[in-house]
Amino acid sequence: AQSVTQPDIHITVSEGASLELRCNYSYGATPYLFWYVQSPGQGLQLLLKYFSGDTLVQGIKGFEAEFKRSQSSFNLRKPSVHWSDAAEYFCAVGVPAGSGNTGKLIFGQGTTLQVKP
Amino acid sequence: GAVVSQHPSRVICKSGTSVKIECRSLDFQATTMFWYRQFPKQSLMLMATSNEGSKATYEQGVEKDKFLINHASLTLSTLTVTSAHPEDSSFYICSARSQLYNSPLHFGNGTRLTVT
Repeated sequence: AQSVTQPDIHITVSEGASLELRCNYSYGATPYLFWYVQSPGQGLQLLLKYFSGDTLVQGIKGFEAEFKRSQSSFNLRKPSVHWSDAAEYFCAVGVPAGSGNTGKLIFGQGTTLQVKP
Repeated sequence: GAVVSQHPSRVICKSGTSVKIECRSLDFQATTMFWYRQFPKQSLMLMATSNEGSKATYEQGVEKDKFLINHASLTLSTLTVTSAHPEDSSFYICSARSQLYNSPLHFGNGTRLTVT
C-alpha cells in the first residue's frame, strides 16, 4: 500500500539557517511526489513536484527537493529560512491517473516549521 | 488568483442538521474533484473522488450516505454532510483538475465545519 512518512513532527530553526524536511514514501512504481505548504486555517499551496526527469526539483519561494529512489526519499530543502516560512509542510505521493495527471494524493503527517528570530 | 473557490470558509451548525459545501473551479473545467478531511494538527485524508457526471468513489471507511457528493457540472462539486454530529467537525478541503495532459491540481482554501 502507498504511504508517506514525515519523521519530524515539529522543527524549529533560526531565521537565516538552512532547512531540510524529511519525507519517505512507499509506492510500488515510479511515484509522483509533491510538497505543499499550509498556513493556519488555509488551503494548500504547491511548493514543487516531481514526476520524472531531473531528480533535483526547484520550487517556489527558494525551496528545492531531491528525489532519491534508492532511499525512497523526497526531502525538502531551503538554504536560508525566512520568518514567513513558518507553516505546516506536507509531503504527498500522487497516484498516476493517466495522461500525466495525478489521481488521489496520499499525504504524510505533516511537519510544523517554527522559525526563531 | 484562486482558481478553485470553496464556500463557505466557515460554518457552524447544530447537531442533526445538514451542511452543504461548494467547490467551484473558476477558470477551467474540473473533470475530477477530490474531497479531503483534515483533523486539527493532522494530515489530510482523502474522503472521495468525484468525476463529472458519475458517482463519487469513496475511500474505505467513509460513509457515502453521510457525506453526499455531487459533481453535476464541470465547474461545481458539492459535499453535503447530512445529519451532522460534533464528531464531523473538521476542516474540509477540495481539490480539482481538468483532464488535459499534466494538468495541475488546485486546492480550495478549505471549509471549517463546527457542529454544536
